[in-house]
Amino acid sequence: GQQVMQIPQYQHVQEGEDFTTYCNSSTTLSNIQWYKQRPGGHPVFLIQLVKSGEVKKQKRLTFQFGEAKKNSSLHITATQTTDVGTYFCAGGYQKVTFGIGTKLQVIP
Amino acid sequence: GAVVSQHPSRVICKSGTSVKIECRSLDFQATTMFWYRQFPKKSLMLMATSNEGSKATYEQGVEKDKFLINHASLTLSTLTVTSAHPEDSSFYICSATGLAGGHNEQFFGPGTRLTVL
Repeated sequence: GQQVMQIPQYQHVQEGEDFTTYCNSSTTLSNIQWYKQRPGGHPVFLIQLVKSGEVKKQKRLTFQFGEAKKNSSLHITATQTTDVGTYFCAGGYQKVTFGIGTKLQVIP
Repeated sequence: GAVVSQHPSRVICKSGTSVKIECRSLDFQATTMFWYRQFPKKSLMLMATSNEGSKATYEQGVEKDKFLINHASLTLSTLTVTSAHPEDSSFYICSATGLAGGHNEQFFGPGTRLTVL
């Protein structure tokens, strides 16, 4: 079945540093979604990418979808303590498969 | 954005008892609801997909007789953990997708922490 791998699993950064998490699928994805889960909270939808090579920005967050639609990345510029949480990618239409998530710690 | 509620948020029960968890879409009609399980420091594991008015589709390895899912309306789905055992202790999260927006993003409920003694 479809597998979605995500690296790294954990990342500690100093506040102000950049952060990137990568997502790879074993199969071509129709779309990819990114979610953020704060400690003790539930996943919250951030964005969906559909087109090959698509790049979308949300303030300091940049999302990319690979040309082959098998990989994606989330890059945060100049991290802040409010960015703390676990970031999940998820691929598929209707039924999605979640990556294991990247837990981001930001050191003030 | 769309709001999904879940009740209860926490439940502690004795081994052998059954527990029902409700998932409601508050401001939209959910054509499909998903039930996930999340172990500590792990990702979400899809348990089943339910569409209103039809039987749920369970993922491989998930016992349908143990995790009963009912999706009686476009705003309510329930998960009943029958004859719960300590290994069923986990964080259960539901999500819903609706008709609005044209996207298939999932709106998650706040989750239910189940502890089986």
